Amino acid sequence: GQNIDQPTEMTATEGAIVQINCTYQTSGFNGLFWYQQHAGEAPTFLSYNVLDGLEEKGRFSSFLSRSKGYSYLLLKELQMKDSASYLCAVRGLYGNKLVFGAGTILRVKS
Amino acid sequence: GAVVSQHPSRVICKSGTSVKIECRSLDFQATTMFWYRQFPKQSLMLMATSNEGSKATYEQGVEKDKFLINHASLTLSTLTVTSAHPEDSSFYICSARDLRVGETQYFGPGTRLLVL
Repeated sequence: GQNIDQPTEMTATEGAIVQINCTYQTSGFNGLFWYQQHAGEAPTFLSYNVLDGLEEKGRFSSFLSRSKGYSYLLLKELQMKDSASYLCAVRGLYGNKLVFGAGTILRVKS
Repeated sequence: GAVVSQHPSRVICKSGTSVKIECRSLDFQATTMFWYRQFPKQSLMLMATSNEGSKATYEQGVEKDKFLINHASLTLSTLTVTSAHPEDSSFYICSARDLRVGETQYFGPGTRLLVL
């Protein structure tokens, strides 16, 4: 089976740094994705990790440890517009299907 | 990133009618597209994988005769909700796989379906 865990909600202050964790247990692994989803909208792609280590893209960074089944998304210099749900998704070995976590609702306060 | 469009963005229909939703990859070809459903405050649930030129692969519990999928070209997949009922009201989102970027899935803007 497949199981993906993320915290349900997080609150952070504008300008700060926040780390959203994701742990997974899957029967096969072929990449981990992070998406951002604002209320009522479709998800937008943020990052992709398939090898261990840190991928940095502007204010967003994503880390992966395959041996630990663990990833995190790091958001720096938080802005109010970063308030959204952040979805962790794991791709299996076959069929390119993504299994999504329940998402972490991030609230950025001033 | 790659652009995926979806039409219509919102539809209201009477119970018993059928609704067709289109998903298009605008700047790349997609041999594989995916259809998801999302209920309020829940995560995305994969309904089916749409493969160009072949039959769709449905997830367990998804009725293939109720949710008809056609992927006739490399840029278009359609989902038809047949004989819609109020419990089918949901947010339907498609995604297309872009082989150029780690086979990342890019999502369309979604279709909000309300069945009265």
